[in-house]
Amino acid sequence: DQQVKQNSPSLSVQEGRISILNCDYTNSMFDYFLWYKKYPAEGPTFLISISSIKDKNEDGRFTVFLNKSAKHLSLHIVPSQPGDSAVYFCAANNAGNMLTFGGGTRLMVKP
Amino acid sequence: SQTIHQWPATLVQPVGSPLSLECTVEGTSNPNLYWYRQAAGRGLQLLFYSVGIGQISSEVPQNLSASRPQDRQFILSSKKLLLSDSGFYLCAQMRQGGNGYTFGSGTRLTVV
Repeated sequence: DQQVKQNSPSLSVQEGRISILNCDYTNSMFDYFLWYKKYPAEGPTFLISISSIKDKNEDGRFTVFLNKSAKHLSLHIVPSQPGDSAVYFCAANNAGNMLTFGGGTRLMVKP
Repeated sequence: SQTIHQWPATLVQPVGSPLSLECTVEGTSNPNLYWYRQAAGRGLQLLFYSVGIGQISSEVPQNLSASRPQDRQFILSSKKLLLSDSGFYLCAQMRQGGNGYTFGSGTRLTVV
């Protein structure tokens, strides 16, 4: 049972445009959400997070939106840059010791 | 700051051979540690986690095992590798503050 899902395995965006990566979850006990970015042959790096008490968190070009009623979060990257090309994982935490990850979305930003 | 050391970066092993991947962490005492695997084209699969020395929880039954002989050392092992063990193995520790992980740089294992 996948509690965290990223339904788009890949996304292609033109440089300078907005990238929107989506993530859905089923467990209403999740109270903290994170996005990780992963380049090939490297470990994932933390990108941005959001607590369930908020609906938006912004850090530079990256904004995460949380819709608790829909159990949906999204990552917006504006403007997209070629260096943003990577696999993005969303993850959720329910105050326990473990994160639950989505399957990842490969973002390709074309110059 | 939290630092995770993983080695080797790449490894090619024949089917049936043993495996030992080591992970050591810095910056936190008694950290929660994790082993993940990313198979080709797949997401991150939790294999093992440990909340302390000698304490290992397995998430997925398989021919891999894990050990935590020291507070900041986490080892992933196998007695006999299978082709299906190929993948990218990641060690992680819980971030200070308890939200999210810091990941190591990973080991690319190819079983041939």
